[in-house]
Amino acid sequence: SYVLTQPPSVSVAPGKTARITCGGDNLGGESLHWYQQKPGQAPVQVIYYDNERPSGIPERFSGSRIGNTATLTISRVEAGDEADYYCQVCDSLIDHRFFGGGTKLTVL
Amino acid sequence: QVQLVESGGGVVQPWTSLRLSCATSGFTFALSPMHWVRQAPGKGLEWVASVSFDGKTNTNIESVRGRFTISRDNSKNTLYLQMNSLRPDDTAVYFCARDGERGSFDYWGQGTLVTFSS
Repeated sequence: SYVLTQPPSVSVAPGKTARITCGGDNLGGESLHWYQQKPGQAPVQVIYYDNERPSGIPERFSGSRIGNTATLTISRVEAGDEADYYCQVCDSLIDHRFFGGGTKLTVL
Repeated sequence: QVQLVESGGGVVQPWTSLRLSCATSGFTFALSPMHWVRQAPGKGLEWVASVSFDGKTNTNIESVRGRFTISRDNSKNTLYLQMNSLRPDDTAVYFCARDGERGSFDYWGQGTLVTFSS
């Protein structure tokens, strides 16, 4: 199993760049995925396979990974980006999924 | 377009049962593994259970093992979660989600709330 650690909160001014990290142990070849969830709404996938962007997600959203730490980067942050962001991994050996605790992004 | 619509949530008493449904459209349901994910009030996301495309294989988290059963009816394009022996800590919004690339979830329903009467 995996434990994914995210900062509880990140604050950024409009137009600036937000970076949200997600750390885990021994992730190996497993892929990290990211979701955006606004209050009262279902999560929306914004990044999959570490750095791939689903169709319809703005290019301002990007993902990267170095070793056991993944980063979601949101460029030119807008007020509408204010949301909770979750990282997620699948343990392919046991086919279980794990989420990070979530990060609340506040746009100042 | 892909649509997932959950139903069946409600107010329950401890140790009772409930069955959630997730009606789908806009994709070939019979080819897609499916999942249930829940979110307790004010808390984060928690994966609950998965079922293979043909319904023959399923997995779930330990806290629901022996109480919850995930299943599907490919003739009706519908996913189910049978929840027995419900406990107060099962209070959550339950989302169904489609399996995406590399173990991700690419589409989600809007969720259905399961809560306990006081």
